[in-house]
Amino acid sequence: DTAVSQTPKYLVTQMGNDKSIKCEQNLGHDTMYWYKQDSKKFLKIMFSYNNKELIINETVPNRFSPKSPDKAHLNLHINSLELGDSAVYFCASSQVISKETQYFGPGTRLLVL
Amino acid sequence: GEDVEQSLFLSVREGDSSVINCTYTDSSSTYLYWYKQEPGAGLQLLTYIFSNMDMKQDQRLTVLLNKKDKHLSLRIADTQTGDSAIYFCAVPLTGGGNKLTFGTGTQLKVEL
Repeated sequence: DTAVSQTPKYLVTQMGNDKSIKCEQNLGHDTMYWYKQDSKKFLKIMFSYNNKELIINETVPNRFSPKSPDKAHLNLHINSLELGDSAVYFCASSQVISKETQYFGPGTRLLVL
Repeated sequence: GEDVEQSLFLSVREGDSSVINCTYTDSSSTYLYWYKQEPGAGLQLLTYIFSNMDMKQDQRLTVLLNKKDKHLSLRIADTQTGDSAIYFCAVPLTGGGNKLTFGTGTQLKVEL
């Protein structure tokens, strides 16, 4: 069974569209994260939720809105997509925020045309 | 520079040892991690070390931590072609809140 899963795996869309990426973990973890990996493979945290509450919110445009319906799910909605949003987005989870090992999903490759 | 830095590329011959280095500005007293990313895949936890240790060995992997110099390294013995990947160190930086900061990644290429 996949521990941290994301859908879709690939997402190709036009500039200006709104899209969502979904993430689910079946590890029973309390904390979930969204990371963005750019074309140079640089990995940067975007958000972190602990038990459905937002605890880390890095300097991310407010076009990005995370939503956590329950502690096993953390979705990422992106409005008005821009070319610079093209990247790989990784979801991760950990038992306790940050000081515990984070387990990553397979990534969602977003291409904005 | 970045808070957590790694050299971008490393090329070794199959069977040799690989040493991937990571320097950071500061870290809280907790775990420091090494992750591996194969092409087109997510990040896979490779190993970790607690901040009160200076060495940890796990089969072909050896992690060395020099807290004084703020230097973390990963040694892979008998490197194989399947070890070709990008390796990221991840450090919980002091004052960084409750989050890991990932290094810039080192692309390891193993040649026959």
